[in-house]
Amino acid sequence: EAGVAQSPRYKIIEKRQSVAFWCNPISGHATLYWYQQILGQGPKLLIQFQNNGVVDDSQLPKDRFSAERLKGVDSTLKIQPAKLEDSAVYLCASSPLRASGANVLTFGAGSRLTVL
Amino acid sequence: AQSVSQHNHHVILSEAASLELGCNYSYGGTVNLFWYVQYPGQHLQLLLKYFSGDPLVKGIKGFEAEFIKSKFSFNLRKPSVQWSDTAEYFCAVLSSNTGKLIFGQGTTLQVKP
Repeated sequence: EAGVAQSPRYKIIEKRQSVAFWCNPISGHATLYWYQQILGQGPKLLIQFQNNGVVDDSQLPKDRFSAERLKGVDSTLKIQPAKLEDSAVYLCASSPLRASGANVLTFGAGSRLTVL
Repeated sequence: AQSVSQHNHHVILSEAASLELGCNYSYGGTVNLFWYVQYPGQHLQLLLKYFSGDPLVKGIKGFEAEFIKSKFSFNLRKPSVQWSDTAEYFCAVLSSNTGKLIFGQGTTLQVKP
């Protein structure tokens, strides 16, 4: 099966600019996750969708970050305006249903953001 | 709330040395536990997982981990590391109630040839 697709792979912007990342999960996967991985740290969950509904967005900085999954398939994550501390790799992952031990998250390659 | 703590931030070993990476978690409910690996320039890959049954689980590339419920631990082991094991290793805990996967801060393993 095809993996989780993400684009762009790399993006360099200046602070206060905006950026958007796109994710296409594995076909049929109901749950989609966005993680932020800052260099030297573990991935931090930003938002979790099940189909097109938000399950958890408690760690999403809602003053500048937004995410949507309108048709329950692909998703976009937007940052506006970007800050220096947003420099990170943004990982998308998907799993078949609510994740359990039997349903493992599959990660995409990530989108590396550099904010200057 | 879920949390994961990895004991070592950076580990340097020589080839053929034994490896043990510590992981402790905090969560009151039923947990599923994972180790992910990230090789340089590559994306996260599942190394092994525990969700029930035998607390000693075996993963790819000769890795294994032991779930000790009384210690809230899920340490990763490998008897003899290779240079190709150089990577970053992440322990993660999944809440079976919410489907939320939380990662530890990661351990960078450097294996010297």
